[in-house]
Amino acid sequence: DGGITQSPKYLFRKEGQNVTLSCEQNLNHDAMYWYRQDPGQGLRLIYYSQIVNDFQKGDIAEGYSVSREKKESFPLTVTSAQKNPTAFYLCASSIPDRDRDGYTFGSGTRLTVV
Amino acid sequence: AQSVAQPEDQVNVAEGNPLTVKCTYSVSGNPYLFWYVQYPNRGLQFLLKYITGDNLVKGSYGFEAEFNKSQTSFHLKKPSALVSDSALYFCAVRDPLYGNNRLAFGKGNQVVVIP
Repeated sequence: DGGITQSPKYLFRKEGQNVTLSCEQNLNHDAMYWYRQDPGQGLRLIYYSQIVNDFQKGDIAEGYSVSREKKESFPLTVTSAQKNPTAFYLCASSIPDRDRDGYTFGSGTRLTVV
Repeated sequence: AQSVAQPEDQVNVAEGNPLTVKCTYSVSGNPYLFWYVQYPNRGLQFLLKYITGDNLVKGSYGFEAEFNKSQTSFHLKKPSALVSDSALYFCAVRDPLYGNNRLAFGKGNQVVVIP
């Protein structure tokens, strides 16, 4: 079955540590997105990529970095510069020229700073 | 720019009663509208969408939504709520005239169905 896989499901980070969240899709979608979700704040866009080797900052990119070396993969690194990284992170994908289909979401990664 | 408003933080409804979750939107052109549902610690799941045609759209799990262009609304409805409908619901809009292909999401509505 085609889908979008996020790993790990739960992640614990020590203060000052960088961590990388994985997002892989086998839907052949060109566009991929990273969202942060905090209680009561909805979804906030961190980064998005419309095509391989290109990505754009979203609304809250500070303290995060991404890469898009392969169509299938869009990993998110939460750096030590992100002061409040504890949140639920969602990855999504879409076909930009078939925007009638909306987005497909992964099942999320819950990151906790310990 | 496109935007979505979900005016209520939480909707409480008794099991068996009708459920309505409100959504209004703002776009330049004719909108593409979506509803998603999220269960705890899970990703968003697609419920239904309006692209064009009939204003009443039917989706998964008995949900439907009505597109009202004059009121710029796309309220989600279910005639008889179940306890299992308790979840977080997101409305989203895309303006085909706005060239970045991105969806704008509302902040979400928590639905609590009381047994």
